[in-house]
Amino acid sequence: AQSVSQHNHHVILSEAASLELGCNYSYGGTVNLFWYVQYPGQHLQLLLKYFSGDPLVKGIKGFEAEFIKSKFSFNLRKPSVQWSDTAEYFCAVNAVSDNNDMRFGAGTRLTVKP
Amino acid sequence: DTGVSQNPRHKITKRGQNVTFRCDPISEHNRLYWYRQTLGQGPEFLTYFQNEAQLEKSRLLSDRFSAERPKGSFSTLEIQRTEQGDSAMYLCASSLGGWETQYFGPGTRLLVL
Repeated sequence: AQSVSQHNHHVILSEAASLELGCNYSYGGTVNLFWYVQYPGQHLQLLLKYFSGDPLVKGIKGFEAEFIKSKFSFNLRKPSVQWSDTAEYFCAVNAVSDNNDMRFGAGTRLTVKP
Repeated sequence: DTGVSQNPRHKITKRGQNVTFRCDPISEHNRLYWYRQTLGQGPEFLTYFQNEAQLEKSRLLSDRFSAERPKGSFSTLEIQRTEQGDSAMYLCASSLGGWETQYFGPGTRLLVL
């Protein structure tokens, strides 16, 4: 069955540190990949998505993610985090030709210390 | 505010009671999704609609759960004979076709006593 793994449950960084959040999925077919973010007290919102084309995708607020098909990974990165990036980050996968649903990882809570 | 809205925001009920939640999507969005989220977990897909048609329902979804979108606009999610394990945040999202960007509502938090 399709699953999504986020390796880090809680990451604590100081401002200006670089960020990389891991996401792996288990599905061999065509996938659409997403990162969603939930800031404290707010709704889930899309950070970025990958459907096809350039495997390095750029999203809002300086975030980017790289799809590595051979590693079944879609890691999220940001070169320099800010206090305002404190939030919960969710990776999600839509298996295009299988379940026809969306699977989310358990989420990674990011705390950025000022 | 023209985003996705959900009502009620909070619901406390006793075990065995039925509850119904409502979701109003962004008006031009033809897809509507329901998810359930428990503490420390990501959203778990329940079902989705394209217009008024329910296209997919999670195999994990018990028969006590039913969802409707009668006119292709708002949707309701009903849970019959609630159990304590149904306590969770129920999220609704909408999108404009395909598996495009989903816009989430604030959720309905259900507590079953």
